[in-house]
Amino acid sequence: QKEVEQNSGPLSVPEGAIASLNCTYSDRGSQSFFWYRQYSGKSPELIMFIYSNGDKEDGRFTAQLNKASQYVSLLIRDSQPSDSATYLCAVNPLKSGEGNMLTFGGGTRLMVKP
Amino acid sequence: DAGVTQSPTHLIKTRGQQVTLRCSPKSGHDTVSWYQQALGQGPQFIFQYYEEEERQRGNFPDRFSGHQFPNYSSELNVNALLLGDSALYLCASRMVSPDTQYFGPGTRLTVL
Repeated sequence: QKEVEQNSGPLSVPEGAIASLNCTYSDRGSQSFFWYRQYSGKSPELIMFIYSNGDKEDGRFTAQLNKASQYVSLLIRDSQPSDSATYLCAVNPLKSGEGNMLTFGGGTRLMVKP
Repeated sequence: DAGVTQSPTHLIKTRGQQVTLRCSPKSGHDTVSWYQQALGQGPQFIFQYYEEEERQRGNFPDRFSGHQFPNYSSELNVNALLLGDSALYLCASRMVSPDTQYFGPGTRLTVL
């Protein structure tokens, strides 16, 4: 069974610190990887996507992918209280253009304390 | 530019009833996927529509059905509602390049 695993948390970090969120996946055929942020009572919001091994940076966010280890992570630098939310890791097992059925992990709840 | 829209926002039904949820994708997006998110869990894929046909389906029973219209909008129908169908139903529309999905605000369904 294809699975995406995340620590449910909560992960508590002080304001200004680096938050590190991790995700492992079981399907070696997975091709694209996504991080969504979900505030309580709201829908998921796409914050990062990554297709290739290595790091991808966008502002305070860095996504890291290691396909050999089947591991993807999200780093949030200079964490702010407004970053407090649930972070969902999602995996698309197919190549781009061949369908986009996302498999989600259960999410990690992040709490940034002032 | 309007994002993904969904209606209604909230819905309360009783067991055994039928429900229809609606979704309009972002302008320029032609593929719509539906997800179910139970409280405290990640979204689960129900099915995807492209060119008015169901292209992929997740592990959901036939009680869940859908439709896509020529203007790319979509409906999700659930028959014979069960208490366990209570969840947030999310519609996502697909951008081809880069290949990403954007979610609408969701419909909160409560089955009593």
